[in-house]
Amino acid sequence: SQQGEEDPQALSIQEGENATMNCSYKTSINNLQWYRQNSGRGLVHLILIRSNEREKHSGRLRVTLDTSKKSSSLLITASRAADTASYFCVHLTSGSRLTFGEGTQLTVNP
Amino acid sequence: DAGVIQSPRHEVTEMGQEVTLRCKPISGHNSLFWYRQTMMRGLELLIYFNNNVPIDDSGMPEDRFSAKMPNASFSTLKIQPSEPRDSAVYFCASSLAGLSSYEQYFGPGTRLTVT
Repeated sequence: SQQGEEDPQALSIQEGENATMNCSYKTSINNLQWYRQNSGRGLVHLILIRSNEREKHSGRLRVTLDTSKKSSSLLITASRAADTASYFCVHLTSGSRLTFGEGTQLTVNP
Repeated sequence: DAGVIQSPRHEVTEMGQEVTLRCKPISGHNSLFWYRQTMMRGLELLIYFNNNVPIDDSGMPEDRFSAKMPNASFSTLKIQPSEPRDSAVYFCASSLAGLSSYEQYFGPGTRLTVT
């Protein structure tokens, strides 16, 4: 299966709720990054977490990394309609290939 | 800083024509990346440059695709001849250094339609 695989593929929530997206990978990594893409736009970097870090915060974003399970999660707290976008995790695979997953499409309903 | 600049934003061309996409990275960034995004294949890294030198072009789909970076402030992605299956959004991104050490800044993309 494709590395940097996000789960779920689609998520629909109400404004104010929290949104959690997960990402799994198969190889060892130096770091893992999360990006957001609004429809028709380029990707915007959200947060980078290094392999020796377990948790990182940035505003309403919280990212965790579990290298033993080869997984990461992105939590958006108190979601807003403007958070509606696709969210991607990305890391270097073995062989130095940068791979983006298919993304999680988040819809926040006002 | 204006961010990564791509031109044109939209391109519609007929099959067989040559297409040239342009990118100006953020000043001071020494890594540049070209991506292609489609519904079927998602986001794919085509090629990336470090200090104007192509480091990994294994993502370039075939010989019809070529990329150049003649200087630190300009890169082109050329498709010759273009085919309908090349229709996609092409993104350029730049970063301070390296493949994943630093965050990448994406341009707005070029939406290519080949008829």
